[in-house]
Amino acid sequence: NAGVTQTPKFQVLKTGQSMTLQCAQDMNHEYMSWYRQDPGMGLRLIHYSVGAGITDQGEVPNGYNVSRSTTEDFPLRLLSAAPSQTSVYFCASSEQVFGELFFGEGSRLTVL
Amino acid sequence: EDKVVQSPLSLVVHEGDTVTLNCSYEVTNFRSLLWYKQEKKAPTFLFMLTSSGIEKKSGRLSSILDKKELFSILNITATQTGDSAVYLCAVRGSGNTGKLIFGQGTTLQVKP
Repeated sequence: NAGVTQTPKFQVLKTGQSMTLQCAQDMNHEYMSWYRQDPGMGLRLIHYSVGAGITDQGEVPNGYNVSRSTTEDFPLRLLSAAPSQTSVYFCASSEQVFGELFFGEGSRLTVL
Repeated sequence: EDKVVQSPLSLVVHEGDTVTLNCSYEVTNFRSLLWYKQEKKAPTFLFMLTSSGIEKKSGRLSSILDKKELFSILNITATQTGDSAVYLCAVRGSGNTGKLIFGQGTTLQVKP
């Protein structure tokens, strides 16, 4: 009964490094998304996907790339990490675009 | 600009108390309002509301939406220490992104 699985749970990067946050869901959900959570700002949408092969930008996409080669996986890539990307990142999925979102447990990223 | 405002930002009660959490919103072409509970890790889904005046209930938790006055409340009766968490309100508006606009959250602490 895994649901939405994110790895790694914690990561420390230096400015300029790149990395990928992994997200996988086993519920056969078509819709997947990435949010970041910052103190006082609430959760904000970074990128989303309505199905395999289809991705689009959310509210705060700069500095991030995504791909959706399979229904199950939706990795988030940080191209050149900046201190402003220090945050907690949540992957979430839903059966359809306007359904309730199921969240992963989050990945805490610190960029020095 | 779309926005969601929750009040109070924090609340301390004793076990057995009843609490009411508020969520007001300004969103273009409202579609739905969702409540989540976040205990250190992943937000977990509580309710999705789309119609005014229809109460949704799950155990000691209930919620109702007023689309005329643009707000929702989340009630928790007979609170328990396990209810201590951050409660998030999110609203979905127009467009095909599925984006949820989150409030800052209300931190509830239930003391024994």
